[in-house]
Amino acid sequence: DIVMTQTPLSLSVTPGQPASISCKSSQSLLHSDGKTYLYWYLQKPGQSPHLLIYEVSNRFSGVPDRFSGSGSGTDFTLKISRVEAEDVGVFYCMQAKQVPLTFGGGTKVEIK
Amino acid sequence: EVQLVESGGGLVQPGGSLRLSCAASGFTFSSHWTRWVRQAPGKGLEWVATIKQDGGEKKYYVDSVKGRFTISRDNAENSVYLQMNSLRAEDTAVYYCARDKGLDVWGQGTTVTVSS
Repeated sequence: DIVMTQTPLSLSVTPGQPASISCKSSQSLLHSDGKTYLYWYLQKPGQSPHLLIYEVSNRFSGVPDRFSGSGSGTDFTLKISRVEAEDVGVFYCMQAKQVPLTFGGGTKVEIK
Repeated sequence: EVQLVESGGGLVQPGGSLRLSCAASGFTFSSHWTRWVRQAPGKGLEWVATIKQDGGEKKYYVDSVKGRFTISRDNAENSVYLQMNSLRAEDTAVYYCARDKGLDVWGQGTTVTVSS
């Protein structure tokens, strides 16, 4: 199984400041089809998760451009250029290169 | 509106069974893979099962539910199901259905509690 490791576990950010979350996989997420199946989700308090970024760096429909994803192989990063109050919640990375799909442990973001 | 709505959760004793349903609307259901993902109380996300568009042989499960859970779908009813047998305390979770490889649409979840 591919193990996904997220850091940090939690983050306290002043509104308007940037934030960064790291996600490392135990093996490369580059598929033989040339795509890298790494996704980012945000689960706001009391809500279902929702997709932010797909295939490393593509923002999903309706996701603000302050969110960006980067990385390759086994190292990936989600960046928030200017954190807003509505960004509180738990961020998860997930790999879909192979079964079983696996998630990172989550990074809890709170506002200072 | 693109939507997934889960139902069927509840309280069940260890060893019991439940059948979860996921009803889709607002998109061509038969064109999309569907997955079940669960979240134990206070914990992270765990993928449970996947079924392809045609619901044929291509079904996948996390090891911890193999032989106990069965995923199926009825494209005429725009629905996916998760039959859960031999339930254990560790199956207690909110169960979400989600669409496609990237889980781009999620339902609101249905709560399963396994307890005596």
